[in-house]
Amino acid sequence: EAGVAQSPRYKIIEKRQSVAFWCNPISGHATLYWYQQILGQGPKLLIQFQNNGVVDDSQLPKDRFSAERLKGVDSTLKIQPAKLEDSAVYLCASSTGSNQPQHFGDGTRLSIL
Amino acid sequence: AQTVTQSQPEMSVQEAETVTLSCTYDTSESDYYLFWYKQPPSRQMILVIRQEAYKQQNATENRFSVNFQKAAKSFSLKISDSQLGDAAMYFCAYRRGGTASKLTFGTGTRLQVTL
Repeated sequence: EAGVAQSPRYKIIEKRQSVAFWCNPISGHATLYWYQQILGQGPKLLIQFQNNGVVDDSQLPKDRFSAERLKGVDSTLKIQPAKLEDSAVYLCASSTGSNQPQHFGDGTRLSIL
Repeated sequence: AQTVTQSQPEMSVQEAETVTLSCTYDTSESDYYLFWYKQPPSRQMILVIRQEAYKQQNATENRFSVNFQKAAKSFSLKISDSQLGDAAMYFCAYRRGGTASKLTFGTGTRLQVTL
């Protein structure tokens, strides 16, 4: 079984620039999550999708972050404009259902200069 | 709000020895799940073990076992016969029961395994 795929693996941008991350969940997984993991901290949920609908985006900074999962499969997370404090690893995870084990991708390491 | 606390930023264990990683949590819920995740340097988070709060029996997965103390809100991970491949960050995580699926993570414990 192929795992959760994320790209790019690394991204370096200057503050105030825009950036987008892509996630392809495990086939058949209806639930998709984006987490932000700041250095030295545990992951924090940014947004959860059930198919193409948003279930929880309470911790998503909506003034600069956006995410979509248009066809209920792939998802993109965008930051516009980026701030220094957005430097982190962005993890995507998927599961067959909302209360099933989550499978994580390798993450995208974002560095803001 | 639920919180998860891991008070050991780093731990070290010799190969073949046993180590215990600590985790405490705070919740007012009665139905919840607790997890230990392993994150090797490659960064992919892997589920190690899971415990349902309603189960009194401690979960076990091969060399990994937990000591779940519900009244004390404590959930420690014991790794027996430690191997070099066990070196990683270990995160304790909480999830409320029912249809909720948001995971709340602790800050992690970095485990070093020495020869």
